[in-house]
Amino acid sequence: EIVMTQSPATLSVSPGERATLSCRASQSVSSNVAWYQQKPGQAPRLLIYGASTRATGIPARFSGSGSGTQFTLTISSLQSEDSAVYYCQHYDNRPPRTFGGGTKVEVK
Amino acid sequence: QVQLVESGGGLVKPGGSLRLSCAASGFRFSDYDVSWIRQAPGKGLEWVSYISGSGKSIYYADSVKGRFTISRDNAKNSVSLQMNSLRVEDTAVYFCARERDFDAAFDIWGQGTRVTISS
Repeated sequence: EIVMTQSPATLSVSPGERATLSCRASQSVSSNVAWYQQKPGQAPRLLIYGASTRATGIPARFSGSGSGTQFTLTISSLQSEDSAVYYCQHYDNRPPRTFGGGTKVEVK
Repeated sequence: QVQLVESGGGLVKPGGSLRLSCAASGFRFSDYDVSWIRQAPGKGLEWVSYISGSGKSIYYADSVKGRFTISRDNAKNSVSLQMNSLRVEDTAVYFCARERDFDAAFDIWGQGTRVTISS
């Protein structure tokens, strides 16, 4: 089973600065990676699918990149409302669906 | 609008059973695969089970295999998760989520239903 490892566990960034979140797969997963944002008490929200395509309604400051085993979510200019936990997820033709452990982003 | 709404959560003793439901609206339900995903208190997301749009393909996480059963009724636009032999470690918020048309990213999530297993 593929394991998704996210780093760092917590990231503290000033408003307007760039936040870079990493996700590493235990073996190549092509571009079958999604990113989600989850705020306290809410369901996760899809941000990125196919490693780099923004979901409907997601602001342009969110971008995804990578393929194979290394993936990155970048928030180009952090806003206060971006405080949340971010999860990467691997998917394939068949389950299981695998999530990373999450990165908590704090706005200083 | 497009939405999923879970129900059926509650407090159950270890060894007990619970049936969760996920009601869909605003889209052609039978065209979409659905998964249950859970989140233990203060923890990350854990995929639990999957069912294809037709109901013919079903998968489970090893942690629930043999205890949980997923099913769907496309006429009623709903997916269910029957949970038996519940354990303390099954305590979590359970979300149902729709998989996208062309890949398996989860584009629509319900608000979640809380399941607590405690004596």
